[in-house]
Amino acid sequence: AQSVTQLDSHVSVSEGTPVLLRCNYSSSYSPSLFWYVQHPNKGLQLLLKYTSAATLVKGINGFEAEFKKSETSFHLTKPSAHMSDAAEYFCVVMDSSASKIIFGSGTRLSIRP
Amino acid sequence: DAGVTQSPTHLIKTRGQHVTLRCSPISGHKSVSWYQQVLGQGPQFIFQYYEKEERGRGNFPDRFSARQFPNYSSELNVNALLLGDSALYLCASSLVVRGQIEQYFGPGTRLTVT
Repeated sequence: AQSVTQLDSHVSVSEGTPVLLRCNYSSSYSPSLFWYVQHPNKGLQLLLKYTSAATLVKGINGFEAEFKKSETSFHLTKPSAHMSDAAEYFCVVMDSSASKIIFGSGTRLSIRP
Repeated sequence: DAGVTQSPTHLIKTRGQHVTLRCSPISGHKSVSWYQQVLGQGPQFIFQYYEKEERGRGNFPDRFSARQFPNYSSELNVNALLLGDSALYLCASSLVVRGQIEQYFGPGTRLTVT
């Protein structure tokens, strides 16, 4: 069975400091993993995806994530936070046929000036 | 190119009524998925359709049904609405790129059940 756990419901960082949003997954096979961002009253936007190629995945807006099979983690990072990064972030696990798609409960990222 | 479109954007219904939500995928995408996002939670997978056939179903009651048309657009139907059905309903269209699935989400339909 697949599952995904976002370890922090809310993260607050100062502008210009690093961002770390944590995600752990459980899957009986090699999953596809994604991070999506949702700004208030906006749709979901794909940040990046892992699909069994390179373990370090670079996404849009300076975000990246590292797939660590031994730790079953797929944490999202950004070296320097910007005010526009304030949003809700979702970690997603998907099987190869997309017949099972599971979203994490989300992490709300706040940026302090 | 137009992205995924959904209609209506907002909807208010009364308990016991029926609702139909519509989704048009990105041109060339043959797969559509539906999600329910209750306020403060992550989206929950409802259905996936590919080439007009159901390919996946989440843990939702039979009051929820969907279909996909020959032009790949889709409808989500919910019967006997409950207050708990109030949510943002998201549609995503999918494309397989180099063997990997990419999903693109629409803006959603905000359903309020009173």
